Amino acid sequence: QKEVEQNSGPLSVPEGAIASLNCTYSDRGSQSFFWYRQYSGKSPELIMFIYSNGDKEDGRFTAQLNKASQYVSLLIRDSQPSDSATYLCAVSSSGGSYIPTFGRGTSLIVHP
Amino acid sequence: GAVVSQHPSWVICKSGTSVKIECRSLDFQATTMFWYRQFPKQSLMLMATSNEGSKATYEQGVEKDKFLINHASLTLSTLTVTSAHPEDSSFYICSARAGIETQYFGPGTRLLVL
Repeated sequence: QKEVEQNSGPLSVPEGAIASLNCTYSDRGSQSFFWYRQYSGKSPELIMFIYSNGDKEDGRFTAQLNKASQYVSLLIRDSQPSDSATYLCAVSSSGGSYIPTFGRGTSLIVHP
Repeated sequence: GAVVSQHPSWVICKSGTSVKIECRSLDFQATTMFWYRQFPKQSLMLMATSNEGSKATYEQGVEKDKFLINHASLTLSTLTVTSAHPEDSSFYICSARAGIETQYFGPGTRLLVL
């Protein structure tokens, strides 16, 4: 059973701070890693994907992947109240026909 | 790019009727489409995976005769909820991808069965 674990939160950070969202996964053969943002009442939207160990930056977002530790994280710099949402981590592999397994999501609250 | 649409966005129906939800990839050819269901404040639940021209693969516990999925073309998949009942009321979300690449979600369809 492939598992993707996320702390449900809520994670509360002040505006302007760095929000750090974490995700661990059980399948060591996982190859693709995704972060989605889901606002309340809306469908998920893709923020970033990462395939290789290390960091990948896109604007205020940085994804960090450590395959040895089976750990992927998302950093949000200069957090804004508009970043308040649930963040979903998804992981896929060829062994699973690349069907992503989603975590339950972490609720982020950015307070002014 | 990578836009997925769903129609309708909202549907209210009487118990016992059937409801069809369409999912379209607007600017790419979707070899695979996924259908999810999400109850309030709960996580996404994958219902089924469909590949163009093939029968859908349903997740354990999802009734294939109740949730009919058709993926007739590379840009369109439909989910039909047959003989809907109040417990089927939920947020239904499709997603689509080309090959093994990133999947993109549609905006979702809220179903309310009275």
